[in-house]
Amino acid sequence: DAGVIQSPRHEVTEMGQEVTLRCKPISGHDYLFWYRQTMMRGLELLIYFNNNVPIDDSGMPEDRFSAKMPNASFSTLKIQPSEPRDSAVYFCASSSGKSNQPQHFGDGTRLSIL
Amino acid sequence: AQSVAQPEDQVNVAEGNPLTVKCTYSVSGNPYLFWYVQYPNRGLQFLLKYITGDNLVKGSYGFEAEFNKSQTSFHLKKPSALVSDSALYFCAVRDTGNTPLVFGKGTRLSVIA
Repeated sequence: DAGVIQSPRHEVTEMGQEVTLRCKPISGHDYLFWYRQTMMRGLELLIYFNNNVPIDDSGMPEDRFSAKMPNASFSTLKIQPSEPRDSAVYFCASSSGKSNQPQHFGDGTRLSIL
Repeated sequence: AQSVAQPEDQVNVAEGNPLTVKCTYSVSGNPYLFWYVQYPNRGLQFLLKYITGDNLVKGSYGFEAEFNKSQTSFHLKKPSALVSDSALYFCAVRDTGNTPLVFGKGTRLSVIA
């Protein structure tokens, strides 16, 4: 079975540009999570969805960040305008929603803002 | 509130020796505990989980973990380390609700040949 698919794998862009990260969760999973990983702060939960509805976005750092899940097989994380401090690896994960099941992670998008 | 502590940023072990990566947790109810491994330029990969039952849980790549309720610990172990085990290891916990996993800060394991 295909795992969580993220695109692009790498993104390099200039400060001020809009960045869109994409995620396709595992089919049948009801929960989708967006994380950010940096050396300084480790792994941070940004937002998560249940059945395409945002449940908790308290981890979203600023209004420049937004996330959507228009259907069960697709989600986006958008940064507009981007800043150098947004440089990080962004991960998407999905799970079945059963509390005894793990979250499954994609391989991430490495974002560099120049 | 749920929390996880991984007290060691770095663990070094010689190839062939046993390894232990430590994890302690705090939850209000019964814990569901997980270990993940992250290799360079990859996402977190699920290794094993404790839900209930036997305190010794076996997982992928020869790893196992021991659940200790009195010490609120869930240490990851392997009897004989391989150089290819060198990676970043994360412990995670949730209580019995459908909440996101809470991750520790990670422990970098280096296995030296």
